[in-house]
Amino acid sequence: AQSVTQPDIHITVSEGASLELRCNYSYGATPYLFWYVQSPGQGLQLLLKYFSGDTLVQGIKGFEAEFKRSQSSFNLRKPSVHWSDAAEYFCAVGPWAQGAQKLVFGQGTRLTINP
Amino acid sequence: EAGVAQSPRYKIIEKRQSVAFWCNPISGHATLYWYQQILGQGPKLLIQFQNNGVVDDSQLPKDRFSAERLKGVDSTLKIQPAKLEDSAVYLCASSQEVEQYFGPGTRLTVT
Repeated sequence: AQSVTQPDIHITVSEGASLELRCNYSYGATPYLFWYVQSPGQGLQLLLKYFSGDTLVQGIKGFEAEFKRSQSSFNLRKPSVHWSDAAEYFCAVGPWAQGAQKLVFGQGTRLTINP
Repeated sequence: EAGVAQSPRYKIIEKRQSVAFWCNPISGHATLYWYQQILGQGPKLLIQFQNNGVVDDSQLPKDRFSAERLKGVDSTLKIQPAKLEDSAVYLCASSQEVEQYFGPGTRLTVT
């Protein structure tokens, strides 16, 4: 069965510092991988996705993620965080298939930004 | 383009009462999902519709939860009777292809 682990429940970084959020997945075949962000009281917004090609993918808001098959990881990075990046971040995995996807989410990492 | 709409945004009920949530997906999106997000956890898929047919309801507690998607557009999710452990945010999402678009969710508190 597919699963996603986000080892860090809560991370605090200073504004302007770099950020890396960890994500490890378990899946028997080639997965779709996603990062979503959820601000308080809001739904989830897609930051980026990977399903093939270049293992370094660029997303919105200056985020990027790198797929490492050997480590079953899909870590999210940002060179310099802004106070508005404070939110909950979720990594998700779905099967490699056309059309609609059943996603399995990690438990999330809450990001706090210090001024 | 209008996003996924959900109502109500908040609901407080007592245990053993019933409650219903409504979702209007993005126009033209054939696939609709209902997720349950318990505090401190990631969303968990409850049910997935393709047009008005159920694709996956393996994690839906069918003794108390029901969902329908009449005419392949709007959907309702019902809980009857509610239990304390049903307190959560219920998220609706829709998709045309791979990317799922989420609504703001309904926060349910069962007392």
